[in-house]
Amino acid sequence: DIQMTQSPSTLSASVGDRVTITCRASQPISIWLAWYQQKPGKAPKLLIYESSHLESGVPSRFSGSGSGTEFTLTISGLQPDDFATYSCQQYHSYVYTFGQGTKLEIK
Amino acid sequence: EVQLLESGGTLVQPGGSLRLSCSASGFSFSSYAMSWVRQAPGKGLEWVAALRSSGDRPYYPESVKGRFTISRDNSKNTLYLQMNSLRAEDTAVYFCAKGRYDNSNKYFDSWGQGTLVTVSS
Repeated sequence: DIQMTQSPSTLSASVGDRVTITCRASQPISIWLAWYQQKPGKAPKLLIYESSHLESGVPSRFSGSGSGTEFTLTISGLQPDDFATYSCQQYHSYVYTFGQGTKLEIK
Repeated sequence: EVQLLESGGTLVQPGGSLRLSCSASGFSFSSYAMSWVRQAPGKGLEWVAALRSSGDRPYYPESVKGRFTISRDNSKNTLYLQMNSLRAEDTAVYFCAKGRYDNSNKYFDSWGQGTLVTVSS
């Protein structure tokens, strides 16, 4: 199976900051990567697919990039609603796998 | 508006069986692939089963293959997960998730709120 590794596991930031989360795949996955946001006790929400395509309704301060084995999710101008856990997911293989998650905390 | 409502989660003993259901509304259920994704307490997301819109060619990760069976009834707009030979490590919140396409999930654009399965004696 393709392993997905996110870094950092926890990230402390302030409102207005620009933050970047990295996701690395154990083998090349082209652009077949999605990002999700999840708040405690809630379902995940799709933010980005195909590495850089913003899902409808998601604010433009979210952006994604990368291909092959290294990908990034960037949030420009953090808002209070953005403090949550972010997870990547590869769909290059039919065995879909997720990263372990990055918790974005208020500094 | 897409709505997915899971049910069936409960406390079950190791070795036991359980069937989860996911009732779908707000979209053409029979036109989309669907999956189950779980999340153990304090852990990350783990995909556990997927099914095409037509209901054929299910696929699973090794961790549940041979124990879990995904199915759907398009006439009832309902997705199922039959779980047998349950283990403590199957304890998790189980989410029903809608794929973006008909013949392959790829990624998940809508999720239910989840149902908790606890495997313990």
